[in-house]
Amino acid sequence: NAGVTQTPKFQVLKTGQSMTLQCAQDMNHEYMSWYRQDPGMGLRLIHYSVGAGITDQGEVPNGYNVSRSTTEDFPLRLLSAAPSQTSVYFCASSYMDSAPGAQYFGPGTRLTVL
Amino acid sequence: GDSVTQMEGPVTLSEEACLTINCTYTATGYPSLFWYVQYPGEGLQLLLKATKADDKGSNKGFEATYRKETTSFHLEKGSVQVSDSAVYFCALTPNQAGTALIFGKGTTLSVSS
Repeated sequence: NAGVTQTPKFQVLKTGQSMTLQCAQDMNHEYMSWYRQDPGMGLRLIHYSVGAGITDQGEVPNGYNVSRSTTEDFPLRLLSAAPSQTSVYFCASSYMDSAPGAQYFGPGTRLTVL
Repeated sequence: GDSVTQMEGPVTLSEEACLTINCTYTATGYPSLFWYVQYPGEGLQLLLKATKADDKGSNKGFEATYRKETTSFHLEKGSVQVSDSAVYFCALTPNQAGTALIFGKGTTLSVSS
């Protein structure tokens, strides 16, 4: 099992650029989520999904889009990057009966927006 | 709204010292409580959990007891090692399906030999 994988590990964008952060899991988990981690802020939920075709907003969804076309993949799209989106992004997944508490986290993507 | 408050760090200890990281929560109903650990350069890993009052979660020598009367879930270890150096996050989920995992701000632990 590769677990939860994220690509890229690092990314630098200019303000206004768009990009997609990739997340995949091979554990057949129904629940997937995206968090951002900022210094002194803990982790905050951006979007989550309880299955293919079903997504919902978390605490900080503005400026981000998600879709879930397969069980395995849950990409996060930045539509027009802003410096305030400089952060470390974590994808996580779990079975529904342990969601959202007991999740498996990916290694993270460190994003810098200039 | 629901929230988690952790003691501020960094916490600096010598090897074999005792560790306590305080965590208190505010939540309606009966939340489930978790401790996650983040080693340098890595994602978070679930360390332990407790789902009801008086439950004790334990793993890798760490323990935490769900205390409803004091709304606390303090993390303890009797003898820390250098390899325990990491950031520790207390978190909760409200007792409702599909809601978020709410994190504290994290406590950095540094253990020296």
